[in-house]
Amino acid sequence: QQPVQSPQAVILREGEDAVINCSSSKALYSVHWYRQKHGEAPVFLMILLKGGEQKGHEKISASFNEKKQQSSLYLTASQLSYSGTYFCGTEEENFNKFYFGSGTKLNVKP
Amino acid sequence: NAGVTQTPKFRILKIGQSMTLQCTQDMNHNYMYWYRQDPGMGLKLIYYSVGAGITDKGEVPNGYNVSRSTTEDFPLRLELAAPSQTSVYFCASSYAGTINEQFFGPGTRLTVL
Repeated sequence: QQPVQSPQAVILREGEDAVINCSSSKALYSVHWYRQKHGEAPVFLMILLKGGEQKGHEKISASFNEKKQQSSLYLTASQLSYSGTYFCGTEEENFNKFYFGSGTKLNVKP
Repeated sequence: NAGVTQTPKFRILKIGQSMTLQCTQDMNHNYMYWYRQDPGMGLKLIYYSVGAGITDKGEVPNGYNVSRSTTEDFPLRLELAAPSQTSVYFCASSYAGTINEQFFGPGTRLTVL
C-alpha cells in the first residue's frame, strides 16, 4: 500500500530547516528515502530498517517510529542543492513489494 | 562500472504498437525492478525480479511483461501500446532486496499517440 507523504511541497530560504513525513497504515520492514532532481533518476539518501537506528549524514538525517509506522526526513541548514522532490519508499512486513510515496517537492531559494 | 543502463532514452509509439525497453546492470545485483513515473507523480512498481528466472508482479503490471534470463538483463515488454502507458520508465537494481539501496537507470521517456 502506497505510503502517505506530507507536506506535498515546501519552500525554504537557504539555511532554514525542513521536515518531511512518511506514514503507512501497514507494519513496515524498511523505509527508503530518495531525492530526484527534475528530469533525472532518483538518487538514494538512506534506509531505515525495523529495529534499526536513526540514520544520518552531513545535514540530512531520518528517523523511523515503528509504533506509528512513520518515518521523518530532517534537512537542516538547507542548501540550494537540496532542491528537488523527495520520495519515501516502503516495504511492508511479510511482503516483497515496494511502494513509493507521491513525493514532497522542496524548493530552496537564495 | 556503468551501473544501470537503459535503452532507448526516448520513444514515440503509435497506439497498438509493441516495444521492448532494455535494462542492463553490471553490478551483479540479484534484484531488479521496473517502475513507471507519470508527470508530477511518484514511482509505481510494475514488475520485479529476485534473480534470473524469477519475476513477480508489482502494483501496476497490466499491459506489460518481463523476463529475466540472465542476472544482468531485465527487459520490459509493452504489448498493444495505449495512451495510458505514456510515462517515464525507470529500471533499478539492488544487491539483496529492500535492505539495500536501489540504483536507478537514467529512464526511458515513452509517448504513445
